Amino acid sequence: AQSVTQLGSHVSVSEGALVLLRCNYSSSVPPYLFWYVQYPNQGLQLLLKYTSAATLVKGINGFEAEFKKSETSFHLTKPSAHMSDAAEYFCAVRGETGANNLFFGTGTRLTVIP
Amino acid sequence: DAGITQSPRHKVTETGTPVTLRCHQTENHRYMYWYRQDPGHGLRLIHYSYGVKDTDKGEVSDGYSVSRSKTEDFLLTLESATSSQTSVYFCAISDRATEAFFGQGTRLTVV
Repeated sequence: AQSVTQLGSHVSVSEGALVLLRCNYSSSVPPYLFWYVQYPNQGLQLLLKYTSAATLVKGINGFEAEFKKSETSFHLTKPSAHMSDAAEYFCAVRGETGANNLFFGTGTRLTVIP
Repeated sequence: DAGITQSPRHKVTETGTPVTLRCHQTENHRYMYWYRQDPGHGLRLIHYSYGVKDTDKGEVSDGYSVSRSKTEDFLLTLESATSSQTSVYFCAISDRATEAFFGQGTRLTVV
């Protein structure tokens, strides 16, 4: 069965510091992995996705993630945090059936300190 | 934003009443989903549809039903609302080769 674990429900970083949000997955087939961002009172917006091509995936707003099969990880990073990055971030893995549905982690709330 | 509209955006209802949430898409995507979002749980799948009149259950389907009579509309019904169904509900759409696109959400409060 597929699942995602996000380590750390809250992460705080200073403006300009490295952002690292952790995600580990479980899947019995080669996974499709996603990071979404949610701003207050809004829906989810796709940041980036891994679909078995390049292991280093670049997304919007300067974020990137690296797929590491040996570690079953897909951590999200950004070299320099900006105040506008404050939001909740969700990692997700696509289900193994034909339904295309996503299994989400519990989310990580990122706070950026001025 | 992808062409997804959820209605209503906010609703307060009483315990025991039926409630229907609507999701409308203009993208002609095959798959449509209803998720609920709760603190500490992320998003969990309630029901999904893979075509007109083709639906199936997700991981938290008890107390919910769905219908899809047209490609563009996917309805979620709470037959008899309970306080445990107070949540934020998101509709999403996708095609086989694409990621999921999400609506803006419906905040439902059951009192």
